Amino acid sequence: EVQLVESGGGLVQPGGSLRLSCAASGFTFSTYAMHWVRQAPGKGLEYVSAINFNGGSTYYAESVKGRFTISRDNSKNTLYLQMGSLRAEDMAVYYCARPRITGTGYYFDYWGQGTLVTVSS
Amino acid sequence: QSVLTQPPSVSAAPGQKVTISCSGSSSNIGNNYVSWYQQLPGTAPKLLIYENNKRPSGIPDRFSGSKSGTSATLGITGLQTGDEADYYCGTWDSSLSAVFGGGTKVTVL
Repeated sequence: EVQLVESGGGLVQPGGSLRLSCAASGFTFSTYAMHWVRQAPGKGLEYVSAINFNGGSTYYAESVKGRFTISRDNSKNTLYLQMGSLRAEDMAVYYCARPRITGTGYYFDYWGQGTLVTVSS
Repeated sequence: QSVLTQPPSVSAAPGQKVTISCSGSSSNIGNNYVSWYQQLPGTAPKLLIYENNKRPSGIPDRFSGSKSGTSATLGITGLQTGDEADYYCGTWDSSLSAVFGGGTKVTVL
């Protein structure tokens, strides 16, 4: 059974840092790209960042570029999101999600339960 | 402001049908498959439809998807109280990112 379990969320002051983790199991983690997707309170889903299967390529939404860093440790089956210079607008539930990429298809077949990041003084 | 446009809400009585539209452009829906996600209150999104009209194992055939040009539609027939949720469309965009709609809340009257 595929499982994605996020951790590391919490309360952080504006300008602070936080590292999120996503522990994966039930599939060959090292062969899949992975994403972070967030959802602000009462809002829709927003792509945050993506990383290819071996960590050699990373991608970011403009809103987090230069402040967030995605990485992975395939030996530990774990995805990370290092968040810095946090702003009030970064407050959200952060989900890790596994994408399936097929030709012109791109969808997320598994999602974690999410971890809440609260940015407040 | 989401890249894909969905109506904020739709509603119908139990047993009826609802449809949810998702409008995009040639940069996204027009050249890529569309997926749909169901988010029950307080839970993570769940894949409902992929590649426009395919259902993952375990998703009942009351849920259907279609695409035409730069728009897509999710249909739910035989509406049940358990279908009350937020529904999101998603696809790939030429800006090299996944994009989503703003979500549609389905209410069973």
